[in-house]
Amino acid sequence: GQNIDQPTEMTATEGAIVQINCTYQTSGFNGLFWYQQHAGEAPTFLSYNVLDGLEEKGRFSSFLSRSKGYSYLLLKELQMKDSASYLCAVPLTDSWGKFQFGAGTQVVVTP
Amino acid sequence: DGGITQSPKYLFRKEGQNVTLSCEQNLNHDAMYWYRQDPGQGLRLIYYSQIVNDFQKGDIAEGYSVSREKKESFPLTVTSAQKNPTAFYLCASSNQGGETQYFGPGTRLLVL
Repeated sequence: GQNIDQPTEMTATEGAIVQINCTYQTSGFNGLFWYQQHAGEAPTFLSYNVLDGLEEKGRFSSFLSRSKGYSYLLLKELQMKDSASYLCAVPLTDSWGKFQFGAGTQVVVTP
Repeated sequence: DGGITQSPKYLFRKEGQNVTLSCEQNLNHDAMYWYRQDPGQGLRLIYYSQIVNDFQKGDIAEGYSVSREKKESFPLTVTSAQKNPTAFYLCASSNQGGETQYFGPGTRLLVL
C-alpha cells in the first residue's frame, strides 16, 4: 500500500525558518511534489523532487532522500502570508495518473 | 490566460437531488481529476480521466459520476446516492499522468 505522513500543525514566528517533514512508503517512486494551500483555496504547486538532494527556489527549498523515503520543505524568512497548509504528494507507479496526498501540515506564522 | 476553472463557487443540494459541478481547462492537458477534501483531511481522488471518452474510478467513486466528452471539460455529478456530500471539491489537470497537477479554485458543496 501507499502511505504518506506529515505533521498536522507547526507554529513559527515571522522571519524564522520552519522545516516540514514528509515520509512516504510506496511500491515504486516517480518523484515527490509539494503544494501550498491557503484556507478555502486551491493547492498551488511549489516544488518537485525526483533525485536526491536539495532544490532551492527563493525562500522555499525542498529536499529528498529516496533511500530513506523522506522529504522536507524548508520555508525561510517566514512571512505572514506563508500561513497555509502544505501538502506532500507522491504519484503512484502502479496506477497511472493517481497521486497519494498527505493530510497536509498547517503552518501558523505569528507576529 | 490559460487555466482551470470551476463553477459554481458554492452549491447547495437538497435531499435526493443530483447536482453537477463544472470543470473546464484551456491548458490542453490530457489528464483531469476530481478530488474531495474534508476539513483537516488530505485530498481523496474521486475519478480521473487520462483521455477523452475514458475515465477511471478513484478511491471514493461511490455516489459520483463523471463524463469526458471533450478534452477541455470534466463535469462531476454528485448523485443522491452520495449520503455525505458536504465537502470542498477540487478539479485538477495535468499534461500527462504523474506530472504536475494544476488545480481549479474549487466548489464548496453544502446540503440544505
